[in-house]
Order: sequence, then C-alpha cells, then structure tokens
Amino acid sequence: SQQGEEDPQALSIQEGENATMNCSYKTSINNLQWYRQNSGRGLVHLILIRSNEREKHSGRLRVTLDTSKKSSSLLITASRAADTASYFCATERGQLTFGSGTQLTVLP
Amino acid sequence: IAGITQAPTSQILAAGRRMTLRCTQDMRHNAMYWYRQDLGLGLRLIHYSNTAGTTGKGEVPDGYSVSRANTDDFPLTLASAVPSQTSVYFCASSVDRGRDEQFFGPGTRLTVL
Repeated sequence: SQQGEEDPQALSIQEGENATMNCSYKTSINNLQWYRQNSGRGLVHLILIRSNEREKHSGRLRVTLDTSKKSSSLLITASRAADTASYFCATERGQLTFGSGTQLTVLP
Repeated sequence: IAGITQAPTSQILAAGRRMTLRCTQDMRHNAMYWYRQDLGLGLRLIHYSNTAGTTGKGEVPDGYSVSRANTDDFPLTLASAVPSQTSVYFCASSVDRGRDEQFFGPGTRLTVL
C-alpha cells in the first residue's frame, strides 16, 4: 500500500517559474522525505522534515508539513531545465513508504 | 567506490531461471533495502536488513529472498523468475533503519520473458 500520494502526477512549467508539488498521506508519521529521480537513475534524497517541524529550506527547495492535514508540499523556486525529473515523497513510520511521484518538466 | 553499486545494470531472463541481483555499499551503513519500481506505482519495499545477519520482509516479499552475511553486501535472489517480476530493482542503504535518509544505487532493469 502507498502511504503518500503526490499531486499533480505531472507538471510542466517554464524555466524561472516556481514548481509546487503536494503530498498527502493517511497515518501518523515520524518524518517525511522528498526524493528526486532523473530518468533511468536511482533516487537522490533532497530533504527530510520531521513531524514536529513545519517548514524547512535547502537552497531553492522549501518543504512544508501540516500534520493536522496530513499533507506536505515541495516548492522549487526559480526552476531550471536541470530540475526536470520525477519527485517522490516518502513517509517514514518504521520504514519508508513512497508515493507514485510527480513528473516535473521544466521547459527552457 | 563511493556509495552503492548494483550489478548487473540490466538483464533479460527466461521464466523459471534463478537470478541474483548484487548490491554493495561502502558507507558502513547498518541498514539496507531492496525496492522494485513499476510504472505508476512508485517504489515498493521487497526486503530489508537492519544490520548484518538480520533480514526482514517488506511489502512485496513473495518470490524473493535476501541474505546479509556482512555489512557491505545485500544480494537479492529470485529463485524461479516469473514475468510479473519484470521491473527495475533498486538497492538502498541508510545509517540505521527507519529515520534516516536513504542512499540509492543506480538500479537493475530486469526483464523476465
């Protein structure tokens, strides 16, 4: 079963625009993580936000977590063509459970 | 090497054959994992290991076995491959199981005919 579900499934934006991806989950969690996957490659960890945190930043990434709504969002600011990839949220509750991902395309 | 390596990169296998996917990490991580990734389904956990000498079942363990004889290696074996095991397989590791970020290998693309 998949705990996290991303929305939208696919997103296409112009370079320089911001990209927002959302993740909803069903049960309580210890932390929520976001990963990126370039086509044909393994996943790369982007950011981890703990259940007692509400917002976290890393470079052009901003993640929010609302445990009352069981949702998280990943914002990528000033997107670049190199940001084109699939983005996955993963909820941790003893083990990581991944969503099905958002395919982001950034057009040059 | 740095990180996690997987072998082979890809494989085409006849149904009924036995196959072992190899995974090696050099980060001295305690925990290791095997996932399969199918189109539209994200990653699903097959088996995991908290530390050398221990293994556990994930969400989709049937048809797969693992062993963890030492810290670095975590092979995944398909005893008798079936077409539904056609997938991309990823090995991952983390310092400890549960609350840490995971580091992923490049994946093995397996096709069972």
